[in-house]
Amino acid sequence: GEDVEQSLFLSVREGDSSVINCTYTDSSSTYLYWYKQEPGAGLQLLTYIFSNMDMKQDQRLTVLLNKKDKHLSLRIADTQTGDSAIYFCAESPNSGAGSYQLTFGKGTKLSVIP
Amino acid sequence: DAGVIQSPRHEVTEMGQEVTLRCKPISGHNSLFWYRQTMMRGLELLIYFNNNVPIDDSGMPEDRFSAKMPNASFSTLKIQPSEPRDSAVYFCASTQSRGGGYTFGSGTRLTVV
Repeated sequence: GEDVEQSLFLSVREGDSSVINCTYTDSSSTYLYWYKQEPGAGLQLLTYIFSNMDMKQDQRLTVLLNKKDKHLSLRIADTQTGDSAIYFCAESPNSGAGSYQLTFGKGTKLSVIP
Repeated sequence: DAGVIQSPRHEVTEMGQEVTLRCKPISGHNSLFWYRQTMMRGLELLIYFNNNVPIDDSGMPEDRFSAKMPNASFSTLKIQPSEPRDSAVYFCASTQSRGGGYTFGSGTRLTVV
């Protein structure tokens, strides 16, 4: 079945770049997502990438997709203390009845050191 | 748009009591999802509805859990009887299309004592 793996923790200094990595197993994934969860809040969609793309940039965020290795990464440039949160990777499989389901990783807790 | 609205934000109840969590999806979204989040297990999909019809409830942990969606603007998740191990944050999410991702509510933090 589908599985999404992420490292659990990442610590960076303010102003540095953060890179959060994710691997997935379902080769039929059509969309891959990054969500951000701040303390006490729900998950907020940050960005997503379609599987026929290998890169997407949105201001300080860069998403890289290596479909061959089933590896997704999120780079945050000039990391700020407000970026401290849990970041979830998720995939959407390309299957009929389950096509609206997302499979989430366990999340990477990003801590930004001032 | 007010987003996905969940109520209550916090619920503390005694073991054995019935608990009802509520969700109002975004207008026009035709799929609704209930998730549970704990430190140990992360995010778990409990059930999802498409056009008000339950499609997959394989994540519902036990018969004590039930979910309904009587119309496009309202869903409930009920736990009867509740147990301490049900303590978690319960999220509702909705979506209109596969590519757009989900919009999550702020969650209900349930504590069963």
